[in-house]
Amino acid sequence: DIVMTQSPGSLPVSLGERATINCKSSQSVFHSSNKKNHLAWFQQKPGQSPKLLIYWASTRESGVPDRFRGSGSVTDFTLTIDSVQAEDVAVYYCHQYHSVPPTFGLGTRVEIK
Amino acid sequence: QVQLQESGPGLLTPSQTLSLTCTVSRGSITSSTYYWAWIRQSPGKGLEWIGSIYHTGSPYRKSSLKSRLTISLDASKNQISLKLNSVTAADTAMYYCARGRKSGYEMYYFDSWGRGTAVTVSS
Repeated sequence: DIVMTQSPGSLPVSLGERATINCKSSQSVFHSSNKKNHLAWFQQKPGQSPKLLIYWASTRESGVPDRFRGSGSVTDFTLTIDSVQAEDVAVYYCHQYHSVPPTFGLGTRVEIK
Repeated sequence: QVQLQESGPGLLTPSQTLSLTCTVSRGSITSSTYYWAWIRQSPGKGLEWIGSIYHTGSPYRKSSLKSRLTISLDASKNQISLKLNSVTAADTAMYYCARGRKSGYEMYYFDSWGRGTAVTVSS
């Protein structure tokens, strides 16, 4: 199974500051057949189910604010939140869908300082 | 916009069978664009994929659960079902139904999730 390792586990940020979340996969999630990284990011707010933010490592889901940016390739990925807002308080998960079983990171909790 | 709604018993005792249903509205489970999955979340294990099923009915199951797990779909009711035999406390979790995008038999990202149903296994 591909292990997804996220850092940090908790990230206190001030309103308007940038938040950077890292995700490392134990194997490459780049698929040579479609030349894409099979990596997604989810946001989970308290009491809610996960919500898709980013797929193919850098494609924003429809309706997701453009302050959310995904980057990276192969095994190293980053989710950046430019200018954190109060409504961004949540746990963020990376997820690989390159191989079965699909796996998730343990999450990064973003909180307001 | 598709909606997924999980339903289930909530509380079970060890060795019982867990039966969950996911009812899909505003979308067909027989669409070839999507597959359907069960994912659970517990404090100790985070998000854990349990299994998936294609619109054709072909299932994929987590290897460690394969002997206890059945996933099926009922096109007439637009529902996906999960049955997990011989449950233990380790099966206590929030269970989510999710829709995944696919291309052919390649399973891609989950783009819609239900609200989840909490399952507790306790004597």
